[in-house]
Amino acid sequence: AQTVTQSQPEMSVQEAETVTLSCTYDTSESDYYLFWYKQPPSRQMILVIRQEAYKQQNATENRFSVNFQKAAKSFSLKISDSQLGDAAMYFCAYTTFGNEKLTFGTGTRLTIIP
Amino acid sequence: DSGVTQTPKHLITATGQRVTLRCSPRSGDLSVYWYQQSLDQGLQFLIQYYNGEERAKGNILERFSAQQFPDLHSELNLSSLELGDSALYFCASSVGIGGRETQYFGPGTRLLVL
Repeated sequence: AQTVTQSQPEMSVQEAETVTLSCTYDTSESDYYLFWYKQPPSRQMILVIRQEAYKQQNATENRFSVNFQKAAKSFSLKISDSQLGDAAMYFCAYTTFGNEKLTFGTGTRLTIIP
Repeated sequence: DSGVTQTPKHLITATGQRVTLRCSPRSGDLSVYWYQQSLDQGLQFLIQYYNGEERAKGNILERFSAQQFPDLHSELNLSSLELGDSALYFCASSVGIGGRETQYFGPGTRLLVL
């Protein structure tokens, strides 16, 4: 069974600094997709970034980028120039081709220190 | 705003009761997913519908059922409610199937069973 592990329950970072959130996954599939979702205090689930496993290039969305290490089954999220609005729970998620259910990690609570 | 709507936003009911949660997907999306977020179980996939047909089942209790209607909106029915059913229930939608499609989440329905 596929599993997603986020080993950092909580992280904190100074405003304007850079922080990296870790995620590892376990799968025997070759065609899969990885996502980072953000859940602010409003509890809305917001897509931050996605990565296709077949793409070697790491995905980037403005201040958010990933470090995708396929062999190591690692998918970390880097947030640059952290802002107060980045404070939220961040969930790493996985899905495969032909099986669309998202499997989530347990989340990392990110605090931004002004 | 993801374009996915869920009603009601909050629901308070008593044990043994039955409730119906409603979801309208983004315009053009054919696939609807239901997820449960609870403190002890985290985010878990319940069930998926695609164009009116059930496509995948996850950790959904027998007391729970769902359907997707011809206009593509979906309803999740929870019956014989127990205290442990208190959770945030998310609906998500995507254009199609295959796993590569990004799922966009609604704001959730917060259920409290007393």
